[in-house]
Amino acid sequence: AQRVTQPEKLLSVFKGAPVELKCNYSYSGSPELFWYVQYSRQRLQLLLRHISRESIKGFTADLNKGETSFHLKKPFAQEEDSAMYYCALLNTGGFKTIFGAGTRLFVKA
Amino acid sequence: GAGVSQSPSNKVTEKGKDVELRCDPISGHTALYWYRQSLGQGLEFLIYFQGNSAPDKSGLPSDRFSAERTGGSVSTLTIQRTQQEDSAVYLCASSRAGNSETQYFGPGTRLLVL
Repeated sequence: AQRVTQPEKLLSVFKGAPVELKCNYSYSGSPELFWYVQYSRQRLQLLLRHISRESIKGFTADLNKGETSFHLKKPFAQEEDSAMYYCALLNTGGFKTIFGAGTRLFVKA
Repeated sequence: GAGVSQSPSNKVTEKGKDVELRCDPISGHTALYWYRQSLGQGLEFLIYFQGNSAPDKSGLPSDRFSAERTGGSVSTLTIQRTQQEDSAVYLCASSRAGNSETQYFGPGTRLLVL
C-alpha cells in the first residue's frame, strides 16, 4: 500500500538550531516526493521536490531509497520557518498525491 | 495572476443536508484536484480531473460524495446527506497539467456539520 508517514506531529527547536523533519514512505515503484508547507493564515504551497535537487529557503531533502525516507533538513532554523510541513508522494504514471499527516514546526526565539 | 479560489470559505450545515463547494482553478490549468483535510489526518485525496478525461474518483469516501467540472474550468464538490464526520477543510488545487506538475492550492472551505 502507498503510504507516507511523518512520525512527529510537533517539532520544537530554538532559532539557529538544526532541524530535521522526518518522512518515510511506502511505495513499490519509483516515487516522486515533495515537501509542501503551510504558513499561518496562508495557503498550502510547494516547498521543494526531490527531482529538482534544489535548496529552498535553506531547506534540502534527499531521497534515500534504501531507507525509504525523504527527510527535510535545515542547518539553522529561523523563526519564520514556523509552519505546518507535509511530505507527499506522487505515484509515477498516476496522478494521485498521497500526503502525510503533517508536522508542525515551531521555532523558538 | 489570480490564484485558485474557493467558495464559500466557511459552511455550517445540519446533518442530513446537502452542500456544494465550489472551486475556480487558475486560468489555463487543465488539472484539478480535491482534497479533504481533517484534524490530525493530513490531506486525503478525493478526486482528480484532467482535461476532458474521465476523472479519477478513487478517493471519494462514499457515494454521498460527487464532483463535476464544467467546461474544463470550475468544479463543484457535492456532499449529499452530510454527516458529522464530513466536517473538515476541503481543499482544491490546480496544475498546468497532471502528473508531476506543481499543484497550486486554494484557501479551502471549512465545513462544519452539526
